[in-house]
Order: sequence, then C-alpha cells, then structure tokens
Amino acid sequence: DSGVTQTPKHLITATGQRVTLRCSPRSGDLSVYWYQQSLDQGLQFLIQYYNGEERAKGNILERFSAQQFPDLHSELNLSSLELGDSALYFCASSVEISGTDTQYFGPGTRLTVL
Amino acid sequence: GENVEQHPSTLSVQEGDSAVIKCTYSDSASNYFPWYKQELGKGPQLIIDIRSNVGEKKDQRIAVTLNKTAKHFSLHITETQPEDSAVYFCAATYNFNKFYFGSGTKLNVKP
Repeated sequence: DSGVTQTPKHLITATGQRVTLRCSPRSGDLSVYWYQQSLDQGLQFLIQYYNGEERAKGNILERFSAQQFPDLHSELNLSSLELGDSALYFCASSVEISGTDTQYFGPGTRLTVL
Repeated sequence: GENVEQHPSTLSVQEGDSAVIKCTYSDSASNYFPWYKQELGKGPQLIIDIRSNVGEKKDQRIAVTLNKTAKHFSLHITETQPEDSAVYFCAATYNFNKFYFGSGTKLNVKP
C-alpha cells in the first residue's frame, strides 16, 4: 500500500458527461501528479500540483482540469467525455525534499465511457 | 519535449536467468531516471532510480545503468523469479516536473 488513495475505483459513464476523480496524497506529501494510462498510449503525464499551485502541465486536454485543495487532496475533472477518454487514471504524490522526490502511485480509477 | 523509447515490449525468460530492459531518451537536460514495476490491477511502484551524476546503482537483484553520452539507461534483473513477472516502465524527467514514460515492457518469468 503506497499511502495514496484514489476514489472511486471504477466509474462508468456516458459520452458527454462530466466526472470528478479524487486523490488523497500520502501524509506530508506536497506534490500531486495526474497520469492517464490507456492501452495504446501508455502512461501519459497530465498535470502536477505543488502545495496548491499548478507546477507543470503535460498532455492535458482543455476538457480536463484539476486542482489541489488546502488540505492537499486533488481532484481531476473530466468533462464532455468521449469514448477515447476511457482509461486508467492514476495520481501520484511526492514530498519534494531537496535531492529526493520519489513518486508514490495510487491504485488508480478506471474510467469507462460508453 | 522529451521522448522516451523502451525495448523490448515483451520479454520472456526462464526463472534464474537475467533480464535486461533498455530505454533511450532525447532531452539531454533530463537528470532523473526512475524505473517502475506495475502488477496487474495496481499502480506503478518505484523499484529503483538513478540520477544523472551517477553511472550505476544496485539494489540486491536489481541494477540500473546510465550512459549520459548515449542518452540511454537500462534495468538489469538478475536471478529472476516468477514474482518478477509484471510490466516495467522507465521514465525520465528534468527536476521532477514532467515525467515522461516509456511504453512498458511485459516481463514473463517462466518457472
């Protein structure tokens, strides 16, 4: 168990809908990363937050947004869902002490868009 | 941006043999290279990492080597065991911002 929790575990929804995925980082970790893992794309970095502020952006679609709250949990919002958004979504957290920044991954949320 | 390529995509070895997975990266600024193991139904788990100021790092049966000039790094698993069977990912990043992952290697260790 990495200490990172993600809810829900599974999510089934229809095209055009909007969903919110939640991530609670390990206690003390300030950084949260979001990734999308699909069969044909592998692990794709979406976005990183550090202590509430957006730090880095990857291949995140405009229909997707994220935020990190004062208690450091993070939410990834996916809107106007398309079939191609079906994937595993992982968050990872790290503490970002100088010289070390191991990422710990959560168990993921499997999103199925029908 | 960074591009990480990983080979092979599948690897089958006999228990007790060694396994080697190779990755190349494109951005010479990348300075941190982790390796993750992902078992079915779970999130990736860090197994070993290496920084750009080090050429090799070992942890029991696992080792990673880095060649900065050639921009490639490799994962070496010795004395493989059936529980090593999983998908392995390499990644590269500059200063822990964006992480770029390889496409994964499915390792099958046959008893």
